[in-house]
Amino acid sequence: GESVGLHLPTLSVQEGDNSIINCAYSNSASDYFIWYKQESGKGPQFIIDIRSNMDKRQGQRVTVLLNKTVKHLSLQIAATQPGDSAVYFCAEKQGGSEKLVFGKGTKLTVNP
Amino acid sequence: NAGVMQNPRHLVRRRGQEARLRCSPMKGHSHVYWYRQLPEEGLKFMVYLQKENIIDESGMPKERFSAEFPKEGPSILRIQQVVRGDSAAYFCASSPAGREGYTFGSGTRLTVV
Repeated sequence: GESVGLHLPTLSVQEGDNSIINCAYSNSASDYFIWYKQESGKGPQFIIDIRSNMDKRQGQRVTVLLNKTVKHLSLQIAATQPGDSAVYFCAEKQGGSEKLVFGKGTKLTVNP
Repeated sequence: NAGVMQNPRHLVRRRGQEARLRCSPMKGHSHVYWYRQLPEEGLKFMVYLQKENIIDESGMPKERFSAEFPKEGPSILRIQQVVRGDSAAYFCASSPAGREGYTFGSGTRLTVV
């Protein structure tokens, strides 16, 4: 039979635009969330994190928003640059556990 | 600070052979984690270790896979009698004791032929 490959959600933006990447997390008991950037052939690189007692946190050019009511996390990248092109993963951690549970990832392509 | 060092970067094994993946955590980090990533998927937790102790191995397959983090030397993920389905990228991360914030290595890409 025909095999169906897994395809990452993709987001394509123009250089200089703002990007918003969304993530639905699974566990209402999770209390710590991280966004990672993964470039081809490399390991995940930490971008920004947020605890469940916050709903917004800002870094350099990045903002993470947390909506616990609907279990939704988003990453906003301001003035997106070609170097931002990568796959972005959200990860959640439940209090009392050290393991991270990763989402499926979104592939961001920045067009010059 | 050299970061988390994994070797080899690429490993090719024939079916039935053993694969040994090594991970040296960042200096001062005493917690090590192993994750597996299939193409176009997120990372899946395998095992969490501290020096000489396995803390959480809930993500490890029950057979053929083992991990250790000895008092001296790197952490080792060992896969015995590899099969094609073991082909994946294996990432190691480390963190300091009592603090969040993993740092990941660049991974070992295992190909079973």
